[in-house]
Amino acid sequence: DTEVTQTPKHLVMGMTNKKSLKCEQHMGHRAMYWYKQKAKKPPELMFVYSYEKLSINESVPSRFSPECPNSSLLNLHLHALQPEDSALYLCASSQVAGSLYGYTFGSGTRLTVV
Amino acid sequence: DQQVKQNSPSLSVQEGRISILNCDYTNSMFDYFLWYKKYPAEGPTFLISISSIKDKNEDGRFTVFLNKSAKHLSLHIVPSQPGDSAVYFCAARATTSGTYKYIFGTGTRLKVLA
Repeated sequence: DTEVTQTPKHLVMGMTNKKSLKCEQHMGHRAMYWYKQKAKKPPELMFVYSYEKLSINESVPSRFSPECPNSSLLNLHLHALQPEDSALYLCASSQVAGSLYGYTFGSGTRLTVV
Repeated sequence: DQQVKQNSPSLSVQEGRISILNCDYTNSMFDYFLWYKKYPAEGPTFLISISSIKDKNEDGRFTVFLNKSAKHLSLHIVPSQPGDSAVYFCAARATTSGTYKYIFGTGTRLKVLA
C-alpha cells in the first residue's frame, strides 16, 4: 500500500458545525502533515506530526485542531470555521519529517464553509 | 513573505521540446530542494530532488539544476510529453524548532502541446 487516503473528498459545513477530516497511511511513515491550499496558491504547511507528536504548528487558529491517534492515522477537527477557511486540505506522510525522498500526498478534502 | 517563488505562473511548450521551469528562493539556509507535479483533483507527487551541496541531479527525462549563489533552481524536462501537462511546484527544506519542513513555491502550470 503506497497511498495516503483522505476522507471525505468533499465537505460542506456551516460556520457553527463541527466536523473532522481523516487521513490514513499504511506505509510505516512516521511523519504526517496537514497542508492547506487555496486556489492558484502553493500548499501551505499547517501541522507536522513526528512519531505521533505534534512537532510544528504554523500558528494555525485554534478552530483547527489536529490529532494523531496512532502512527497510521491523522485527523483534523474543525469547529466554528469561517468562509475564508474554504480550501483544499491535503494530508501527506513521509518516512521521517523532512524526508529527502519527498512526501506522499493524499488527494485532499475540498472544504467549503457556508 | 514568499520565500520560494516561481515567477512564471504558466508555460506552454511543444511536444518533444525542452520544458524549463524556474524557482527562486530567498533563504540561504535551505538545504534540500524537491520538485512536485500536481494533476487536478490529485495531491502533488514527488518528482526529483537535489541537495544544496550538488549542482545537478538527473532522473530519466528530468534534470534539476541548482545555482546556490543565485539562489535559483530549475527543472528541465526533455523531451516534453503531453502527459507532463500539470502544475509543478518546487519546495525547499527548512527547520523549525529542530524539525524539518518543506516550503512550497507558487507553482507553474505547464502545458505541453501535441
